[in-house]
Amino acid sequence: AQSVTQLGSHVSVSEGALVLLRCNYSSSVPPYLFWYVQYPNQGLQLLLKYTSAATLVKGINGFEAEFKKSETSFHLTKPSAHMSDAAEYFCAVSGNTPLVFGKGTRLSVIA
Amino acid sequence: NAGVTQTPKFQVLKTGQSMTLQCAQDMNHNSMYWYRQDPGMGLRLIYYSASEGTTDKGEVPNGYNVSRLNKREFSLRLESAAPSQTSVYFCASRQLAGTETQYFGPGTRLLVL
Repeated sequence: AQSVTQLGSHVSVSEGALVLLRCNYSSSVPPYLFWYVQYPNQGLQLLLKYTSAATLVKGINGFEAEFKKSETSFHLTKPSAHMSDAAEYFCAVSGNTPLVFGKGTRLSVIA
Repeated sequence: NAGVTQTPKFQVLKTGQSMTLQCAQDMNHNSMYWYRQDPGMGLRLIYYSASEGTTDKGEVPNGYNVSRLNKREFSLRLESAAPSQTSVYFCASRQLAGTETQYFGPGTRLLVL
């Protein structure tokens, strides 16, 4: 069975500050890991994904995530937050099964 | 390409009424999924179809049925709607499992009174 835990249902950062959204996973098989973003009243779109090719993954809009097997983590970071980053972020895990999502973290960016 | 499309965008039902949510994808994907999204619960899988001709239950299948009409279309039916089914429903598709990106539709907001 696979599962994802996102620490913090709501994170607030100041514009220009570091963004850090935490994700820990549990998987009995080598995991594939994803981060999705959801803007208000929209569907989900892919930010980035880990497919075992490289542990540091770069995505769209300046986001990146690092896969750490020893910590079973896949935290999402961005060096400098922008107002347009305000959204809900979901971490997800998959083996050869449907994606299993975390409960999401809402990111607020304060001017 | 339209990607994943869903109809309707918004629906209000009375308890006990039935309805079908429609989903179609134009990416020639093998797998299709239905999720529901509720505040604080993330996305929970209702049903999925790994390939044309197959369907399987997800985490929260009770009260729902699905039909994989063809490779493009995957519908979700509520036979007798209940207030607990008030939610936002998302359809998604991807080529295969594993590393493949899953693409989402814009969602259907359902209110059951």
